[in-house]
Amino acid sequence: DQQVKQNSPSLSVQEGRISILNCDYTNSMFDYFLWYKKYPAEGPTFLISISSIKDKNEDGRFTVFLNKSAKHLSLHIVPSQPGDSAVYFCAAITGANNLFFGTGTRLTVIP
Amino acid sequence: GAVVSQHPSRVICKSGTSVKIECRSLDFQATTMFWYRQFPKQSLMLMATSNEGSKATYEQGVEKDKFLINHASLTLSTLTVTSAHPEDSSFYICSATAGTGLGYTFGSGTRLTVV
Repeated sequence: DQQVKQNSPSLSVQEGRISILNCDYTNSMFDYFLWYKKYPAEGPTFLISISSIKDKNEDGRFTVFLNKSAKHLSLHIVPSQPGDSAVYFCAAITGANNLFFGTGTRLTVIP
Repeated sequence: GAVVSQHPSRVICKSGTSVKIECRSLDFQATTMFWYRQFPKQSLMLMATSNEGSKATYEQGVEKDKFLINHASLTLSTLTVTSAHPEDSSFYICSATAGTGLGYTFGSGTRLTVV
């Protein structure tokens, strides 16, 4: 069963507005979470991560929020730019260092 | 939902031996499978892309004779690390898709340690 889920396969946002990508997980043993960005024909590029002991991590236009009680994390991109258009994956790591990915959300930023 | 099973999750092998990693799509037909190598807290490095029934396409810098990829059926792809060396120790992960725009499902990865 999918332990990490991204229920929205696609998202369209106007340039300059906020993009919010969501991710849910089922395994309470996950202790580290990552977001990746993927362009066509390339491997996913690491974007930002968050440890389970934190609830927020910010890096420039990207902020990841973690709600452990809800087993939910989200990636906020603000302001969104056309170059942000890509597929975004969330991933989670257990203490055994197994890595579990969501199926991805395709973000389209409309100029 | 779509599930990809990757096996083994951990393997330790001696230098010079070969290791085979399997990636199976359990409930969908994976027309394309991808193999990645993950370094700690870094981006996934795409190693190769394989389409069922045809030869894999390797990324620049990846030795095709060392990392043998076979995608013989729509549900199974294998990566064989031949003549493994300690520098091959890493985390290998596969992903599969049923087609363009249909999303990617990842395996849970294989941690290879070559001693």
